[in-house]
Amino acid sequence: KQEVTQIPAALSVPEGENLVLNCSFTDSAIYNLQWFRQDPGKGLTSLLLIQSSQREQTSGRLNASLDKSSGRSTLYIAASQPGDSATYLCAVNTGNQFYFGTGTSLTVIP
Amino acid sequence: NAGVTQTPKFQVLKTGQSMTLQCAQDMNHNSMYWYRQDPGMGLRLIYYSASEGTTDKGEVPNGYNVSRLNKREFSLRLESAAPSQTSVYFCASTVVLGGGGNTIYFGEGSWLTVV
Repeated sequence: KQEVTQIPAALSVPEGENLVLNCSFTDSAIYNLQWFRQDPGKGLTSLLLIQSSQREQTSGRLNASLDKSSGRSTLYIAASQPGDSATYLCAVNTGNQFYFGTGTSLTVIP
Repeated sequence: NAGVTQTPKFQVLKTGQSMTLQCAQDMNHNSMYWYRQDPGMGLRLIYYSASEGTTDKGEVPNGYNVSRLNKREFSLRLESAAPSQTSVYFCASTVVLGGGGNTIYFGEGSWLTVV
């Protein structure tokens, strides 16, 4: 069974720092990997989706990379802001099924 | 853009009571899902429906039933609520991507407490 792990579970950084969130998965047979943001009391908002044939995707200050063969993805956040404070989840898609990590809770300190 | 809409947002139930969580999507997606989210356990699939008229069990289906009423609507029913069903419930729908695989869209969640 596919297992998705996110380390660390929580991260606290001062404003302005660049940071990297990690996601690993056990089975490389995926169609894509998606990064989500979840604010307290809210649903999941998609940030970036990387197809299995792609190596990275960028949106503004966010850059996500995918190394399918090693089962790893990273989400890079440049020049972090207090508004980036949220939980970030990754998910892999294997067709009809999605497998989610438990998330990294990010706090950006002003 | 409404996307995926869930109701109710919050609900408190007594043990043994029943209730139905409603979900509707306006994106013409074929597949719909119900997940529960618990601290430290991530999102776990309860049931999904690949198309109108079909439903399949996920990882944690016990204590739940579902109905795919039509292409738009997918409801989740708790017949006899238990404290272990206290959780946040998310409905989602998916669309096939041109390059293969699917992408998923979530509702805002339903916070359920069983006392």
